[in-house]
Amino acid sequence: AQSVTQLGSHVSVSEGALVLLRCNYSSSVPPYLFWYVQYPNQGLQLLLKYTSAATLVKGINGFEAEFKKSETSFHLTKPSAHMSDAAEYFCAVSDAGGYQKVTFGIGTKLQVIP
Amino acid sequence: EPEVTQTPSHQVTQMGQEVILRCVPISNHLYFYWYRQILGQKVEFLVSFYNNEISEKSEIFDDQFSVERPDGSNFTLKIRSTKLEDSAMYFCASRSVGAPGNTGELFFGEGSRLTVL
Repeated sequence: AQSVTQLGSHVSVSEGALVLLRCNYSSSVPPYLFWYVQYPNQGLQLLLKYTSAATLVKGINGFEAEFKKSETSFHLTKPSAHMSDAAEYFCAVSDAGGYQKVTFGIGTKLQVIP
Repeated sequence: EPEVTQTPSHQVTQMGQEVILRCVPISNHLYFYWYRQILGQKVEFLVSFYNNEISEKSEIFDDQFSVERPDGSNFTLKIRSTKLEDSAMYFCASRSVGAPGNTGELFFGEGSRLTVL
């Protein structure tokens, strides 16, 4: 079974500062990993995905994540936070074949301080 | 761009009433899902559906829940007798699996907010 652990349910950063949202995964098979973003009162939007092609993955809105097998991590980063990045971010995992369900972490709410 | 659509966007119901939430997945997708998110909590898997049958379900998905794909385009979630604790945002998702280049991500609808009074 797959699972993800997101460290920090709330993260606050100043506008312009580095954003780092942490995610560690557990999987008995090679995983696919995802980051989704949820803006207030909206659905879930895919930010980026890791599917074994490249360990550094670039997504939308300037976000990227690096898959580190040795650390079982898939942390999300952005060099410079914007006010519009304030949202909840969910790390998620599935099996590499994509046939099993996607399992979500508990989410990290990002606050950007002006 | 193709998208998953859900109706209604918000439904208020009395405890004990039946509710049907509707979804239209992306047309060439083969796997369909329902997830729910209780306010302020994580996104929880309810059920997956493939080839006209349930492929996996969670402990949450008890006998009060059912899913159906009645007409080849809609995918519905029925709650037979709603409880207060069923109040949540319900998300439908679809994915295309197995096709060349497919990477297994879910495409979500905007959600249906269910409020049980």
